[in-house]
Amino acid sequence: NAGVTQTPKFQVLKTGQSMTLQCAQDMNHEYMSWYRQDPGMGLRLIHYSVGAGITDQGEVPNGYNVSRSTTEDFPLRLLSAAPSQTSVYFCASSGTVIEFEAFFGQGTRLTVV
Amino acid sequence: AQTVTQSQPEMSVQEAETVTLSCTYDTSESDYYLFWYKQPPSRQMILVIRQEAYKQQNATENRFSVNFQKAAKSFSLKISDSQLGDAAMYFCAYRSYTGFQKLVFGTGTRLLVSP
Repeated sequence: NAGVTQTPKFQVLKTGQSMTLQCAQDMNHEYMSWYRQDPGMGLRLIHYSVGAGITDQGEVPNGYNVSRSTTEDFPLRLLSAAPSQTSVYFCASSGTVIEFEAFFGQGTRLTVV
Repeated sequence: AQTVTQSQPEMSVQEAETVTLSCTYDTSESDYYLFWYKQPPSRQMILVIRQEAYKQQNATENRFSVNFQKAAKSFSLKISDSQLGDAAMYFCAYRSYTGFQKLVFGTGTRLLVSP
């Protein structure tokens, strides 16, 4: 069972570069989210999606774009990377309200220099 | 907006002993879910235990149990018979009943386990 797959696991970017963090799930989950984890701050919600074609902003959306063209995929785009975006990024998915457990990917450690 | 507070940045316990990690939260909602996640050095987020707010009975999963005090908005995690493999960061998290994929996390507690 693949669950939630994130790629890449590690990435170093230069300031101003763009990149896309990939997230795919094979559980046919409706809901997907992106979080960032910073030391001493826990995980904070960046963007989320409640289904294909539907996305919304979380707590810290600035500097990030998302789209959800399929149920399986939910990529996170950094348009112009900044050192403040150095963080560990997690993608998560969950099913209906009844299946309230969130399944997380293994995370991407991103460093912006 | 909901908030989750973990006031213990780090806790230590010896193998086979019991430790309790604290978590408090703030919400005006009556229906919600609470979770404890474990994050070992591998970085993987692992669900340890969950509690539905409408359930008065405290959740238990093997050596892990919670003390859920809804009126006090408190949700502590008790780990019994601690093992070296329990060493990790532990995050308390809140999700409203209609919040779908919007988890609110505390800042985490690092648990150290010594032989």
